[in-house]
Formats: sequence, structure tokens, C-alpha cells
Amino acid sequence: EIVMTQSPATLSVSPGERATLSCRASQSVRTNLAWYQQKPGQAPRLLIYGASTRATGIPARFSGSGSGTEFTLTISSLQSEDFAVYYCQQYNNWPPLTFGGGTKVEIK
Amino acid sequence: QLQLQESGPGLVKPSETLSLTCTVSGDSISSDSYYWGWLRQPPGKGLEWIGSISYSGSTYYNPSLKSRVTMSVDTSKNQISLKLSSVTAEDTALYYCARPYSTSWYGNALDIWGQGTMVTVSS
Repeated sequence: EIVMTQSPATLSVSPGERATLSCRASQSVRTNLAWYQQKPGQAPRLLIYGASTRATGIPARFSGSGSGTEFTLTISSLQSEDFAVYYCQQYNNWPPLTFGGGTKVEIK
Repeated sequence: QLQLQESGPGLVKPSETLSLTCTVSGDSISSDSYYWGWLRQPPGKGLEWIGSISYSGSTYYNPSLKSRVTMSVDTSKNQISLKLSSVTAEDTALYYCARPYSTSWYGNALDIWGQGTMVTVSS
């Protein structure tokens, strides 16, 4: 099973600033990596798949990069609606599909 | 517009079987070969994949739950179902069904999600 590790667990950022979230895989997942955003009381929302492709309707301020074992989600200028929990997920070696533990982006 | 809706009992007794249904609207389950997934999220915790099923009934389960999980598909009702046996308090969670963005084996990023249904295991 591939273990996904996200850091930091919590990220405090001021509105308008850049946020950089990291995700590491225990072995290569190539670019079969997705990022999700989850707000309280809501289902997760797919932001990025293929490590860097934005899902339909996702604003350009969200960008993903990386391949192999190291991945990054960048939010270029945080808006109020971006404060949420973010998860990465690998789908290269499955079953099982595996998720990181999440990064909470909170208002500084 | 594709929509998923989970349903089932909100309370299950320990050692019993949890049974949930995901009803798909806006498209036919059998229109294409997606791997329809079930996931769960304990209160205040992260996401766990339970398993996936194709419209033809091929199943893929999380090894950590495999001995207790059964998934099935009913194309006539446009539904997928989840059964989890011998439940304990650790199975208390919000249960989601979801569909990936692609039918490819390497397309299992989950694009469409239901709203989730909360299941509590308690006597």
C-alpha cells in the first residue's frame, strides 16, 4: 500500500498570500495524483488530477506540480473561500486508493 | 447533470451489517465503465477508500476492510450498494459514494461525490 504524507498539518495564511501544500508518496505514483478541497459539512471537491490538470470549473489560482513521490499544491492568492482542508490522493497503484492525512489552511 | 445520493440507516448496532445505497441520477451507470467508489470519513478525521465497483460488477476492495465488505450494482435501478458486516464503533463515519473523472484504470481521481450519509454504530 502506498502511504501518502501531507505537510504541514496546518497552514496559517493571510488572505491574498500564497499557500504551498506538500504531499509525499512512499513510492512513485508517476503523475497519478489528485488534490481535493473539503469545507466543513461538504463533500470533497476535486481540484487537480494528473498532478497538474485543473478539474472543471477550478480557478486558475490553484495549481499542482510534481511527479514520482513529491507533489505540491499552490494557491497563488488565497481568497476567503479557500480556507479549508486539502487532501492528496494517489491512484497509480490501487487497490487501495490512498489519501494523505490532510492540510488545514486557516486564516492567519 | 450527474448526481449521487447515498441512503440507508443512520444507526446500526455493533456486530450487525451496515447497508447503504447510492442512487445515480442524470446518467446511466451502465453507459460507461466507471469504477464507482465508496469512501468514508470518521468524524473529524480524513478520507478512507472502502472500495470500487464497475457497472459489470467487478469489485476492488480496501485490504483493510475486504473481509467485511460487499459491493453490488443494480443497473435496473441505477444504484450501487455497500454492505459492511460485523460493524464496531470504529465504523462510525460519513459514508460517500463517488465517481471518477475517467473510465481509465489510471483515471481514479474522484470527480462527482454524493453529499454523504452519516452512520453511527451504537447499541
